[in-house]
Amino acid sequence: AQSVTQLGSHVSVSEGALVLLRCNYSSSVPPYLFWYVQYPNQGLQLLLKYTSAATLVKGINGFEAEFKKSETSFHLTKPSAHMSDAAEYFCAVSGGYNKLIFGAGTRLAVHP
Amino acid sequence: KAGVTQTPRYLIKTRGQQVTLSCSPISGHRSVSWYQQTPGQGLQFLFEYFSETQRNKGNFPGRFSGRQFSNSRSEMNVSTLELGDSALYLCASSSRLAGGDEQYFGPGTRLTVT
Repeated sequence: AQSVTQLGSHVSVSEGALVLLRCNYSSSVPPYLFWYVQYPNQGLQLLLKYTSAATLVKGINGFEAEFKKSETSFHLTKPSAHMSDAAEYFCAVSGGYNKLIFGAGTRLAVHP
Repeated sequence: KAGVTQTPRYLIKTRGQQVTLSCSPISGHRSVSWYQQTPGQGLQFLFEYFSETQRNKGNFPGRFSGRQFSNSRSEMNVSTLELGDSALYLCASSSRLAGGDEQYFGPGTRLTVT
């Protein structure tokens, strides 16, 4: 069965600093992996997805993630944090038939 | 294209009542999935419909049900509401059959059960 673990429920960075949000997955088949962002009182917005085409995936708003099979990881990074990046971030793996299995989420705070 | 729309956005119900939530997918999308989001349990998959057929169901009691219409619009129903059903209910649509394509989420319906 597929599952996702996000390390760190809260991450705090300074504006301009590197953002690193960690995600490890478990899957018995080659996974489809996603990162979504949720701003307060809103739905989820797709940042990027991995579907085996390339291990380094670039997404919107300057985010990228690297798929590492040997480490079963799909960590999300952004070189320089902006105040507008403050939100909750969810890593997800596909569970088949358009079912997403989400991690618990990481709330990112960005300080001036 | 217009995004996924959900109605109503906010709802307050009393224990024991039932509720129906509506979701209109992006035009051309035939798959609709529903999720429940709570602070304690996080985001959990409820069910998915494609061309009016339920293809996948999460681990929720039978009080939770759904359906999809021929125009791909979907509804979910919760009967005999419990306090623990208070949550943000999100629907998402996708254009593809399989699980590798992205899902587009609506803003959600926030249900409060008192």
